[in-house]
Amino acid sequence: AQTVTQSQPEMSVQEAETVTLSCTYDTSESDYYLFWYKQPPSRQMILVIRQEAYKQQNATENRFSVNFQKAAKSFSLKISDSQLGDAAMYFCAYNSGGGADGLTFGKGTHLIIQP
Amino acid sequence: EAGVAQSPRYKIIEKRQSVAFWCNPISGHATLYWYQQILGQGPKLLIQFQNNGVVDDSQLPKDRFSAERLKGVDSTLKIQPAKLEDSAVYLCASSSLRGPNSPLHFGNGTRLTVT
Repeated sequence: AQTVTQSQPEMSVQEAETVTLSCTYDTSESDYYLFWYKQPPSRQMILVIRQEAYKQQNATENRFSVNFQKAAKSFSLKISDSQLGDAAMYFCAYNSGGGADGLTFGKGTHLIIQP
Repeated sequence: EAGVAQSPRYKIIEKRQSVAFWCNPISGHATLYWYQQILGQGPKLLIQFQNNGVVDDSQLPKDRFSAERLKGVDSTLKIQPAKLEDSAVYLCASSSLRGPNSPLHFGNGTRLTVT
């Protein structure tokens, strides 16, 4: 079974600084999808960014970018120019893409933005 | 576009009682998911529907949990009888198509407390 590990329960960053959230995963698949979701106190999960494993280029979405290291099974999220609205729980998630549609999530990282 | 609607927002029950949660997905979304999120953990898939058929319920505790999506639109998730360990947030999500290429839209969840 696939597993997703987020080793940082909590991270803190100054407003306008850059922070990197770590994620590792375990799979025997060669083709799959990886995601970062944001969960604010409202509890609604919001997609931040996604990466397809067969694409070598790292995904970017405005201030958010990933460092995808397929051989190391690592998928970190970098948030540049941190804003107060970025404060939330961040979850890394995996999908095998081959019929099983459900996401496997990590335990999450609580991101604190200090003004 | 209206989002995924869930009710109630909060529910407190005693163990051995029954409870039901309701989810109305985004209009036209054929795929619907129920996730369970225990405090301090990432969401775990309970069941996935495609229209009114079950695609995956391998992680649903079928001795006490049931779910239905009779007309392929809204869905209910029931727990009977509830146990203390069922205390969690229950998230509903929908997507227009199956597979990781179709973004998931989450509702705000129902927080269940079993005393």
